[in-house]
Amino acid sequence: QLQLQGSGPGLVKPSETLSLTCTVSGGSINSSPYYWAWIRQPPGKGLEWIGHIYHSGSTYYNTSLNTRVTISVDNSKNQFSLRLTSVTALDTAVYYCARHLPGYNDGGYFDYWGQGALVTVSS
Amino acid sequence: EIVMTQSPATLSVSPGKRATLSCRASQSVSSNLAWYQQKPGQAPRLLIYGASIRATGIPARFSGSGSGTEFTLTISSLQSEDFAVYYCQQYDNWRITFGQGTRLEIK
Repeated sequence: QLQLQGSGPGLVKPSETLSLTCTVSGGSINSSPYYWAWIRQPPGKGLEWIGHIYHSGSTYYNTSLNTRVTISVDNSKNQFSLRLTSVTALDTAVYYCARHLPGYNDGGYFDYWGQGALVTVSS
Repeated sequence: EIVMTQSPATLSVSPGKRATLSCRASQSVSSNLAWYQQKPGQAPRLLIYGASIRATGIPARFSGSGSGTEFTLTISSLQSEDFAVYYCQQYDNWRITFGQGTRLEIK
């Protein structure tokens, strides 16, 4: 059974960088045709796609975050990571990692999700 | 960016009854639409993809329909465990977007 486990600091100061890692178990991050994604959810609000990555390193980012976000993959550790720079209180959210099944035009849907990690941006 | 609009924001239905949730896209997404269920404190769970294909392990009382810009999620006979928030998501291109959600509550 595929499992995803996100980890990282729960508190980040404004203007600093948010860093999270997702460890995949029960399957290989190299498996085709899957991508690996980050999605976030501010408290009491809806879901926002952040971006996704293929094991080759190809990435797709939400244009609203494009200049601040980097998603990377470490195939040797079966992990992928999120970096979000210059954070503000608006970046406070539960951050989910998920497996992304490609559908059409490099879009796709999410069939396995991690449990979510709350990251609070506050001084 | 394709905007997804769900209605109603909140739906009150009695157990055993049918629930119908709607999702509209600002432009055609063909059948590139998924539905998710989210319960408090949990990650979303994939219910439907391809607008009408049930994901693995999803009960038959959940069904999806529609194409283009208008989509519907129907739950035929509500069970207690079905009361949750439901999100639609389009994947017609890599700029993935979600609807704002419909909260399904017990009447």
